[in-house]
Amino acid sequence: SQQGEEDPQALSIQEGENATMNCSYKTSINNLQWYRQNSGRGLVHLILIRSNEREKHSGRLRVTLDTSKKSSSLLITASRAADTASYFCATDAGLTGGGNKLTFGTGTQLKVEL
Amino acid sequence: DTGVSQDPRHKITKRGQNVTFRCDPISEHNRLYWYRQTLGQGPEFLTYFQNEAQLEKSRLLSDRFSAERPKGSFSTLEIQRTEQGDSAMYLCASSSRTGDPYEQYFGPGTRLTVT
Repeated sequence: SQQGEEDPQALSIQEGENATMNCSYKTSINNLQWYRQNSGRGLVHLILIRSNEREKHSGRLRVTLDTSKKSSSLLITASRAADTASYFCATDAGLTGGGNKLTFGTGTQLKVEL
Repeated sequence: DTGVSQDPRHKITKRGQNVTFRCDPISEHNRLYWYRQTLGQGPEFLTYFQNEAQLEKSRLLSDRFSAERPKGSFSTLEIQRTEQGDSAMYLCASSSRTGDPYEQYFGPGTRLTVT
């Protein structure tokens, strides 16, 4: 079953604008990750934030995590047409032997128009 | 750069047939995962291998599903007596025990259609 939900389900913006998507989850986590999926490149890891971190940046990406509210947000600044994709948050609860089981949300479909 | 590869990319089969998918992880990665993704949903975890040992299986993995990783390198996922509800994208991912152990590298997936 899905761990959480992304909001909004779909988002359409103009190139150059910022895009914000939110993720809520249900159980305790080790870390939370964001992935991007498009037909050209499949599912690609974007950024990871650990449970003891509150904010993290990577290039045009900014992720926040609020463990008390069990929520996270992903901000993409100065969006480009190439950012058009589905974005998923995934929570990691850890597995036997050190692996990590990712539980994905339902995704936000982002469309960036020229 | 050799990423995760999956074969075949697409498979159309009739209900009741058996199908087998293959995943070749990044060569130095000892951890391998299978996920299933249906249309409009995020991927759902199916199973996890560390080297050749299958350490975790989801309840989604019914008795008709079996996965192996015989030599700790490539993995196969077999579905017996396929049902229409098995139609989905089957994704394989791998990760390393060293370096960044949390990031999973996904393959392009095998899209299964059961008619």
